[in-house]
Amino acid sequence: LAKTTQPISMDSYEGQEVNITCSHNNIATNDYITWYQQFPSQGPRFIIQGYKTKVTNEVASLFIPADRKSSTLSLPRVSLSDTAVYYCLVGDEYGGSQGNLIFGKGTKLSVKP
Amino acid sequence: DVKVTQSSRYLVKRTGEKVFLECVQDMDHENMFWYRQDPGLGLRLIYFSYDVKMKEKGDIPEGYSVSREKKERFSLILESASTNQTSMYLCASSRPPGATASSYNSPLHFGNGTRLTVT
Repeated sequence: LAKTTQPISMDSYEGQEVNITCSHNNIATNDYITWYQQFPSQGPRFIIQGYKTKVTNEVASLFIPADRKSSTLSLPRVSLSDTAVYYCLVGDEYGGSQGNLIFGKGTKLSVKP
Repeated sequence: DVKVTQSSRYLVKRTGEKVFLECVQDMDHENMFWYRQDPGLGLRLIYFSYDVKMKEKGDIPEGYSVSREKKERFSLILESASTNQTSMYLCASSRPPGATASSYNSPLHFGNGTRLTVT
């Protein structure tokens, strides 16, 4: 199972772009990279998923280099409401079915005014 | 939107009690999961189920059991609650691979959690 490493915490200010990098040196060929966001007293919420290069949706962008050993979640122009814990997971398409998705400790992002 | 509903937000139980945590999802998902979340330890998988009446142990199944009699409902059972089971419990559901053409592996949809305190 591919293990991920993320910074424990990050601080930012409103309006800034935030980039959170996740290392996954042992990522397998069939693994995808998925990011979740969790607010206090709520369950995690899916943000974005990708396999290679760049993926963008209305919430974030995900950059994955060619070797896929890391990925970067990019949050444009953060606001106070983006204060949350962000989890990076890797797993293949059967990860969900087989319970092989591993949530690490995540990155606690604090956005200040 | 997928909705995963956990029956209680907060529960207080005594040591030795049998505790049932209920979870219901409304999107006909095959997969359902129970996690616990503790400060400094992140989310840890207790049990999961990929079909009715099927169950698989996760990373920390000891002291727990599960029941999946209907597709939409997944119950977590603490046979004899202990203080070290005080935690936030999170239920999740997802589709199996290939069920959705637009997603690689179907993301997990979580409920808002049940904070259980065992005294």
